[in-house]
Amino acid sequence: QSALTQPRSVSGSPGQSVTISCTGSSSNVGGYNAVFWYQQHPGKAPKLMVFEVSKRPSGVPDRFSGSKSGNTASLTISGLLTEDEADYYCSSQAGAYTWVFGGGTKLTVL
Amino acid sequence: EVQLVESGGGLAQPGRSLTLSCSASGFTFEDYAMFWVRQAPGKGLEWVSAISWNGGTKGYADSVQGRFIVSRDNSKNSLYLQMNSLRPEDTALYYCAKDGGGVGATGLHYWGQGTLVSVSS
Repeated sequence: QSALTQPRSVSGSPGQSVTISCTGSSSNVGGYNAVFWYQQHPGKAPKLMVFEVSKRPSGVPDRFSGSKSGNTASLTISGLLTEDEADYYCSSQAGAYTWVFGGGTKLTVL
Repeated sequence: EVQLVESGGGLAQPGRSLTLSCSASGFTFEDYAMFWVRQAPGKGLEWVSAISWNGGTKGYADSVQGRFIVSRDNSKNSLYLQMNSLRPEDTALYYCAKDGGGVGATGLHYWGQGTLVSVSS
């Protein structure tokens, strides 16, 4: 159960777009549609932002979009707001009833 | 309103045991898979364990396999994590989370606020 690889940090200015990558293998990201993205603000519980690669839970703005190509998933946030500054984690199913998280990416909105 | 409330955390010595509980309300507990996810201080999220809607399927991270046991009591709307042979590296905030479906492949749509486990002599 190797962790998925994410950049440690990304940054952008308000109004801009950023993309966070999540690289795994055919045993996890590449092999399942069960790929998720979570947002976590300091001291708070995580919040689901994208599920099943590209679906958004109700209440999540359409500025957040997910995609996958091969063994790499991506989260794109467009029209950055200061409130988007947070840690972002990808997650994927990684076998028969096992899951794995990425190491997390700190998004700074300059 | 969905609520998940964890309890049972605290300070434990290495090698000892603790049992965490998660009390659920606001939804039909028996219909959904449930997860435990932990976060060590200043670190990222780590998946710990999952259990299907009826308890028939369970999964564990390699780091806890053979030491932790997940279970649920649908009559009590409760999820449990029995943690044995605790190690200092098990020190973390433990979250209970609800999947969007019964088998655990639709994302963790709701999370509790966590219960802190510290393992130290």
